[in-house]
Amino acid sequence: GQNIDQPTEMTATEGAIVQINCTYQTSGFNGLFWYQQHAGEAPTFLSYNVLDGLEEKGRFSSFLSRSKGYSYLLLKELQMKDSASYLCAVKRAAGNKLTFGGGTRVLVKP
Amino acid sequence: SQTIHQWPATLVQPVGSPLSLECTVEGTSNPNLYWYRQAAGRGLQLLFYSVGIGQISSEVPQNLSASRPQDRQFILSSKKLLLSDSGFYLCAWSLRGLNTEAFFGQGTRLTVV
Repeated sequence: GQNIDQPTEMTATEGAIVQINCTYQTSGFNGLFWYQQHAGEAPTFLSYNVLDGLEEKGRFSSFLSRSKGYSYLLLKELQMKDSASYLCAVKRAAGNKLTFGGGTRVLVKP
Repeated sequence: SQTIHQWPATLVQPVGSPLSLECTVEGTSNPNLYWYRQAAGRGLQLLFYSVGIGQISSEVPQNLSASRPQDRQFILSSKKLLLSDSGFYLCAWSLRGLNTEAFFGQGTRLTVV
């Protein structure tokens, strides 16, 4: 089975930093993905981690600890357009199945 | 470049009517294909995934079925819709392999009335 947990909602101020945590339990782990989804739109890919450590992509960074079943997405220098849901997803080796957590809605305030 | 087409964008259907949502991928071969459903304000629930023609894995028991008649075509169907089938349906594809992200279609917002 698979269990992916992330907070439901977070609020932050424009220009600040927000960290979205994701914990997971799975067998046959084959990578962890972060997606951004604006209301009413399809998710878009942000980052991928398969090895422990930090991956940085501009204002966004993602961290993975496989032994702890833990990842976080770090959003720096928040902008109003970053208000969206952020989805954590885990890929299993069997069938390349990609399973999502419930998503974290981030609200950026001026 | 690869593209994914999903239609229709919105659909209003009466309870008990059939459903057929179609998804096609261009610019790649032998992709993994996925159908997800998203209830309002919730995460994505994996409904079906396919690793090849005619190979469908179902994730949750439900009123829906999926078929893959061609390599790059994925169809979601129902014989009789229920109110609880309302939601945002998303088709996605990915390449085979380890570090391959999924790319999503624009989604179909289905309202069953």
